[in-house]
Amino acid sequence: SYELTQPPSVSVSPGHTASISCSGDTLGDKYACWYQQKPGQSPVLVIYQDSQRPSGIPERFSGSKSGNTATLTISGTQALDEADYYCQAWDSNYVVFGGGTKLTVL
Amino acid sequence: EVQLVESGGGLVQPGESLKLSCAASGFTFSYYWMSWVRQAPGKGLEWVANIKQDGSERYYVDSVKGRFTISRDNAKNSLYLQMNSLRAEDTAVYYCARDTLHIRGWWFDPWGQGTLVTVSS
Repeated sequence: SYELTQPPSVSVSPGHTASISCSGDTLGDKYACWYQQKPGQSPVLVIYQDSQRPSGIPERFSGSKSGNTATLTISGTQALDEADYYCQAWDSNYVVFGGGTKLTVL
Repeated sequence: EVQLVESGGGLVQPGESLKLSCAASGFTFSYYWMSWVRQAPGKGLEWVANIKQDGSERYYVDSVKGRFTISRDNAKNSLYLQMNSLRAEDTAVYYCARDTLHIRGWWFDPWGQGTLVTVSS
């Protein structure tokens, strides 16, 4: 079965840039997307089609991809960005999520 | 405003059944694929099932095949998940989500608030 691999945790200081990676075989052939989930809340789409930002998502959130690794970048990270982040892709009519990355802002 | 509201969760014993519902509003429900995604306590997200606009195609994660059935009623703007032969490992918050499909991708936006299913004796 298809798998997406994320680091379990990433730490960043306020105002600095956070980067979260997501890797998977043949991810370069598919679109990746990213969700933010804060404690007790539902996931929110923050990036789709590798690098597109839905309306209402701050410009400090950006996405990119190189080869089979997608990256979510948060520039000028704020305390309110502390959350779990999940990447997701699609393979043969099945949806796959990465294991999630806990972003700590300290 | 696009809104998805799940209901039907609760505490059931192993082997029992439960049916979840998701009421959609603020968009043309019949135009979209829809999905159920679950999250076990303290764990990550797991896609469970999805269904095409007219119900003619349905896909399931292997762990629920033969036990869960996804369905929809476009006249009622509603999505359903019939869960049979429930197991302890099905314990999770179940989210309803609207799908967007592209030839190279698939994503969910928005998500409902979720409904908790607990399977325990």
